Amino acid sequence: DARVTQTPRHKVTEMGQEVTMRCQPILGHNTVFWYRQTMMQGLELLAYFRNRAPLDDSGMPKDRFSAEMPDATLATLKIQPSEPRDSAVYFCASGLVLTAWDRADYEQYFGPGTRLTVT
Amino acid sequence: AQSVTQLDSHVSVSEGTPVLLRCNYSSSYSPSLFWYVQHPNKGLQLLLKYTSAATLVKGINGFEAEFKKSETSFHLTKPSAHMSDAAEYFCVVSLTRDDKIIFGKGTRLHILP
Repeated sequence: DARVTQTPRHKVTEMGQEVTMRCQPILGHNTVFWYRQTMMQGLELLAYFRNRAPLDDSGMPKDRFSAEMPDATLATLKIQPSEPRDSAVYFCASGLVLTAWDRADYEQYFGPGTRLTVT
Repeated sequence: AQSVTQLDSHVSVSEGTPVLLRCNYSSSYSPSLFWYVQHPNKGLQLLLKYTSAATLVKGINGFEAEFKKSETSFHLTKPSAHMSDAAEYFCVVSLTRDDKIIFGKGTRLHILP
């Protein structure tokens, strides 16, 4: 049963420290998404990649966040420096996005999330 | 502008009674539509999707949704609620031309014994 894996599952760090979250998408999927979820803001789409190229990162704070896909089996989300307001659950999702002339099937498979606490 | 509106932030139903979670969308062209469920402390799971085939879509756990273009709606229903259905539900629209994905704000479903 193919699954998206995320590491670490939990991370507690101090303000100012660098945080790196990793995601292994399902083999064969061509699109990877990063989300952030908090009680106050709900679920926010931060960025996503198609065939390892960034498609949209408009939801991501540019000054401290960065997302990359070094290869097809690994996506990373970094925060440097971290701040208490970054405390949230960060989800990675992957999908095989197939586009027709007017429609895209964005079926996504979500990982279990990384719960980040910045003190 | 494209948008998704989940009309209720919370819905409470008694176990064994029907469930209706409402979703309306705004789009200039044909979207793909999805419903996801999130149980506490878990990731999201796909319930069902509409891409371009039958307008009545059946999903997992007895849920179904009907795409109504004239009403720009994609409401989620289930004939009989079960305690395990208590969760948060998200309606999602994807739009090819903008390559955009838009999540609704979610509806929390409470099941009363």
